[in-house]
Order: sequence, then C-alpha cells, then structure tokens
Amino acid sequence: EAQVTQNPRYLITVTGKKLTVTCSQNMNHEYMSWYRQDPGLGLRQIYYSMNVEVTDKGDVPEGYKVSRKEKRNFPLILESPSPNQTSLYFCASSSRTSGRRNEQFFGPGTRLTVL
Amino acid sequence: QQQVKQSPQSLIVQKGGISIINCAYENTAFDYFPWYQQFPGKGPALLIAIRPDVSEKKEGRFTISFNKSAKQFSLHIMDSQPGDSATYFCAGDNQGGSEKLVFGKGTKLTVNP
Repeated sequence: EAQVTQNPRYLITVTGKKLTVTCSQNMNHEYMSWYRQDPGLGLRQIYYSMNVEVTDKGDVPEGYKVSRKEKRNFPLILESPSPNQTSLYFCASSSRTSGRRNEQFFGPGTRLTVL
Repeated sequence: QQQVKQSPQSLIVQKGGISIINCAYENTAFDYFPWYQQFPGKGPALLIAIRPDVSEKKEGRFTISFNKSAKQFSLHIMDSQPGDSATYFCAGDNQGGSEKLVFGKGTKLTVNP
C-alpha cells in the first residue's frame, strides 16, 4: 500500500530534550515536506526537500532541523524543544512530472506536547 | 503576496444543503489550486483541484468555481452529508516554480443530520 508513515504518532516530552520524528514514504517520491498544524493557523510549512541531500526552509523553520540522506526518509529533528513547538505535525511527499510537483500525500500526523 | 485567505473559519449546514467555502489569493504565479479534506485524527487528503485556465471543475457533489480576475476561488458541496463533516483547506501552488504549497487556514464544516 502506497503511504507516508510517521513515528511516533503521539509524544509527550520536556523542554530541552532532543527528539526526532521519523517520516518514511514508499512511493519513490522526490519531494518531501514537513508541516505543523495549529488551531486557527492552518498548515504551515517547516522544511521541504526536493531530493536527496537537497533541503530548504519553509515558513516556520526556527527550532527545527531536517536531513534527507535517503530518498524515502525525511526525519524532523527538534534539538531543544520548547513549549511553543507543541503542535500537530504532518509529513507529506509528492512526485514530480516534467519538473512540476504533483499531488501531495500526507502522513497520519504526530501530536507533540512539550512540557 | 504568498497568502491564501479562507473563509469562513467554521460552517454549519443542514443535511441536503449547500456548503460554500471561499478563498482569495494574492500571488499571480500560482498555477494550481487544490482543496484538501481532513477528517479528525487523519492527515489532509486531496479532494479536488483546478488550474486557472478553467472557471469551474466538478467532481460528483464537489465543485470548484474559479474567478481569475478577482483572484478568488470557492468550493461548493452540493447535497451536503454528515460524512462531509471535516476541515477543508484551500491552497495555492506554483508547481513549476516555488516549492511551497501555501494553505488557507481551514474551514471546519459540520453537517447536521
């Protein structure tokens, strides 16, 4: 089954304790992205990657890191989480056709609480 | 100029009624306007999308109306059903250029039985 998976689905942590949220897709997609969803603010892009070893900042990159060492994986790293990073996080992926990005497929989400 | 403004923030409709959600954009480089549907506890999923070379696209009970000169587009859900209750996001995209899909802030639709 074609899908985007995220782990963990739920995480409660404390301020300053480094954490990684994993994202993996099995569709051989070139493009991957991380979003955070907050009430009243919609979906905001954190980072995106056009392909292996190519990443760039989205709208709200502060406090986050990403890496793209393999095509299928795009982990989101919070080096020193703070309470304002409490949010619902989504990973998404899409293919490209003739240089144009196609429909984005979203993962099931990771609900993060930072105390 | 990257914003997509979406209204209303929430919408309550009776079963069988018409649900209308409106969006306005500023970036004239956008060449693709998708709508995503999100059920509680799930990730968003593409519902329907339109390109600016057409004024309307219909898929079943879902229709996008597009007004290029006004830089506005809207989603119409005909014969709304309780199963349509979800959060809907409009978005603007420049698929061949900028790598950012810009979302509206979402509309929570509730369809009462």
